[in-house]
Amino acid sequence: DADVTQTPRNRITKTGKRIMLECSQTKGHDRMYWYRQDPGLGLRLIYYSFDVKDINKGEISDGYSVSRQAQAKFSLSLESAIPNQTALYFCATSEGTYSNQPQHFGDGTRLSIL
Amino acid sequence: EDKVVQSPLSLVVHEGDTVTLNCSYEVTNFRSLLWYKQEKKAPTFLFMLTSSGIEKKSGRLSSILDKKELFSILNITATQTGDSAVYLCAVGNNAGNMLTFGGGTRLMVKP
Repeated sequence: DADVTQTPRNRITKTGKRIMLECSQTKGHDRMYWYRQDPGLGLRLIYYSFDVKDINKGEISDGYSVSRQAQAKFSLSLESAIPNQTALYFCATSEGTYSNQPQHFGDGTRLSIL
Repeated sequence: EDKVVQSPLSLVVHEGDTVTLNCSYEVTNFRSLLWYKQEKKAPTFLFMLTSSGIEKKSGRLSSILDKKELFSILNITATQTGDSAVYLCAVGNNAGNMLTFGGGTRLMVKP
């Protein structure tokens, strides 16, 4: 089984719909992250969480919200989806003791907004 | 604002060739530089570099960091078709575990 699991793997939806992407991990890591990837732009950080009670905005948080339901679960919501949110979304985790430990990624959710 | 630039954007080589991928960066309070390989799915971790001049090596892959000139290279010798992927470079700062990623280099290795 994968250490970092994202659901769904693919999603097509319409403009204005509310969407939730879910991430769960079995690595026991405290830190979790959501990124989006667009062609040629690498990965850009949307939100991150260092523990259950900690939520922080990343580089491109506008239009997104998150919830850290438990140490193992971190969900990303698009309250009212728009076409320029079409992208590949990744969840990642890392250990919390020291900064800049390698992040471990899920397989991604490909989201298309029509 | 932290910035990471990778070059070339894409590269096509034949099996057995040696390739060098470049990553330059501007970051406040640099802590580490990481290389990831991304095939069809999740980026997978290759190396983390924190000190200048110390080569990290794993099989045919190696990487080195120059903190004075603010760049890193990733070398792949005797390339194989399985090396075809997007290679991502990311830098982290002392403010926490936030990584800034470059746009990636797409490597295609032909038989």
